[in-house]
Amino acid sequence: DVKVTQSSRYLVKRTGEKVFLECVQDMDHENMFWYRQDPGLGLRLIYFSYDVKMKEKGDIPEGYSVSREKKERFSLILESASTNQTSMYLCASSSRTGQHEKLFFGSGTQLSVL
Amino acid sequence: GIQVEQSPPDLILQEGANSTLRCNFSDSVNNLQWFHQNPWGQLINLFYIPSGTKQNGRLSATTVATERYSLLYISSSQTTDSGVYFCADVRRGNKLVFGAGTILRVKS
Repeated sequence: DVKVTQSSRYLVKRTGEKVFLECVQDMDHENMFWYRQDPGLGLRLIYFSYDVKMKEKGDIPEGYSVSREKKERFSLILESASTNQTSMYLCASSSRTGQHEKLFFGSGTQLSVL
Repeated sequence: GIQVEQSPPDLILQEGANSTLRCNFSDSVNNLQWFHQNPWGQLINLFYIPSGTKQNGRLSATTVATERYSLLYISSSQTTDSGVYFCADVRRGNKLVFGAGTILRVKS
């Protein structure tokens, strides 16, 4: 089975801190995504990457950056965390071949910014 | 941009009951998927169903792409079916557009 692993389940940070959220997938997927999930708003795409060192802005990229130095790892960076970035962050991956577009999610990181 | 509407927003079922969840799209359907998010937050891909009907145990899904909707059927519901059900479709650049979800609670 595909496994998408997020480094932390719960994270508490202070306003202004630099925050790194890590995601690793073990199925050699080309595509990786970062979403945030907020009550009443569903899932919103922050950034995605379709190859190593490639990145594309999603619907809400402001205040975030990403890094994809290796195919299996996609990192989300909050340069200066703010309270409105308190949210559940979900990483996902998919393949461009075979059953392409089918998305597999990590278990999520609940981030609280105080 | 594309609008995705899910209905109903909330649903409470008695264990053993059947239910139908619906997903409507304002634009053409490309690569529709259904997900279940359990109470612990884990999102599981239930179906990849751009068209037609698929079945997996007590769950089945039907997508009518020409009419821009998809249905998820849950039969003989169990408490473990509780959670949030999302539909999503792939847009340009592999971006998924999600509906707001249906919150399902199955009572024993």
